[in-house]
Amino acid sequence: AQKVTQAQTEISVVEKEDVTLDCVYETRDTTYYLFWYKQPPSGELVFLIRRNSFDEQNEISGRYSWNFQKSTSSFNFTITASQVVDSAVYFCALSEGLNAGKSTFGDGTTLTVKP
Amino acid sequence: DAGVIQSPRHEVTEMGQEVTLRCKPISGHNSLFWYRQTMMRGLELLIYFNNNVPIDDSGMPEDRFSAKMPNASFSTLKIQPSEPRDSAVYFCASSMDFQRGSPLHFGNGTRLTVT
Repeated sequence: AQKVTQAQTEISVVEKEDVTLDCVYETRDTTYYLFWYKQPPSGELVFLIRRNSFDEQNEISGRYSWNFQKSTSSFNFTITASQVVDSAVYFCALSEGLNAGKSTFGDGTTLTVKP
Repeated sequence: DAGVIQSPRHEVTEMGQEVTLRCKPISGHNSLFWYRQTMMRGLELLIYFNNNVPIDDSGMPEDRFSAKMPNASFSTLKIQPSEPRDSAVYFCASSMDFQRGSPLHFGNGTRLTVT
């Protein structure tokens, strides 16, 4: 069975601080996909990034970076120089190759960036 | 593209009434998903379709819930009769090729309140 754990329920930082959101996953499949989604206060869910199990390269997109480590089953998300607009709930999600349609979401981490 | 379109945005109804939620996926996407979000249970996958065919409905809470996808551009989620515990935000999402790890694109959701 697949499982996603986001141990940090809430994080509060001051603007310009760096912050890392943790995501730990469990799966028995060798082929799987990992995702991060953002849900701002307005409520919509926005896709941020996808990684497949065969690509452990870290990725950077502006102030966002992702660290995928299969050895620790983690897919962590770092925001550098956080801004108030980064305040949102962030979800990590996993889908397994054999049943990729049935993805599992973590419980989410609520990030508050204070000015 | 306009993105995934859901209607209505808000629905308030009385217990026992029928509720129909509607979704128009992104053109060209072959997978459609219905999720429910509550504080207590987080994001739950209710059902998903691939090429208009229901693939997995194991997340549908009970027989009061039904979903249809008569064509590639339209889906409905119906609750009959509705109960207060059905109050939640219902999201529709579509994906180009989820079996190969394409991300989900979510609509803005329908906030359902059953009194």
